[in-house]
Amino acid sequence: AQTVTQSQPEMSVQEAETVTLSCTYDTSENNYYLFWYKQPPSRQMILVIRQEAYKQQNATENRFSVNFQKAAKSFSLKISDSQLGDTAMYFCAHEEGAQKLVFGQGTRLTINP
Amino acid sequence: EAQVTQNPRYLITVTGKKLTVTCSQNMNHEYMSWYRQDPGLGLRQIYYSMNVEVTDKGDVPEGYKVSRKEKRNFPLILESPSPNQTSLYFCASSITGSGSGELFFGEGSRLTVL
Repeated sequence: AQTVTQSQPEMSVQEAETVTLSCTYDTSENNYYLFWYKQPPSRQMILVIRQEAYKQQNATENRFSVNFQKAAKSFSLKISDSQLGDTAMYFCAHEEGAQKLVFGQGTRLTINP
Repeated sequence: EAQVTQNPRYLITVTGKKLTVTCSQNMNHEYMSWYRQDPGLGLRQIYYSMNVEVTDKGDVPEGYKVSRKEKRNFPLILESPSPNQTSLYFCASSITGSGSGELFFGEGSRLTVL
């Protein structure tokens, strides 16, 4: 079974700082998708960013960007100019075929004022 | 408004009492799926459906049943709930599969089995 590992259970930074959440995954596929989801206290799962493995360029969405290292099977999320509203649980996920996402354990991020 | 609706949002029940968590989407999506979220384990897939009358097991299907009689609905059935099924449950849908289109999640159903 394919796996996704988030090695940082919790992180805490000051508002306006930059923070990087790490994620590694295991796959034998050559083409696939990777995702970062945000889960605020409301429990809603919100898609933050998506990366297609065949694309060399790292995906960016406003203050959110990824560092995708395909050979190393690494997919980290960088949040720039962090805001209080970024406080949430963050999940990294890998698409396994067209049937499901395999999620990591999650990283609880706290942004302090 | 495009959405995935789950009910109930919160439920406390007792061991062995059958229950159904409903899920409905209004986006005409072909793909629907159920996940459970547990601390330290992330989200794990229970069942998924690629289309009407097409369902298959995910990683943790034991103790659960599903059906897909209509495109918009994908209920999760616990025939005889046990305490180890206490969890946060999410229904999700996508236009096709889980990668080529965004996966839309419901708001979650918190289930406690005593």
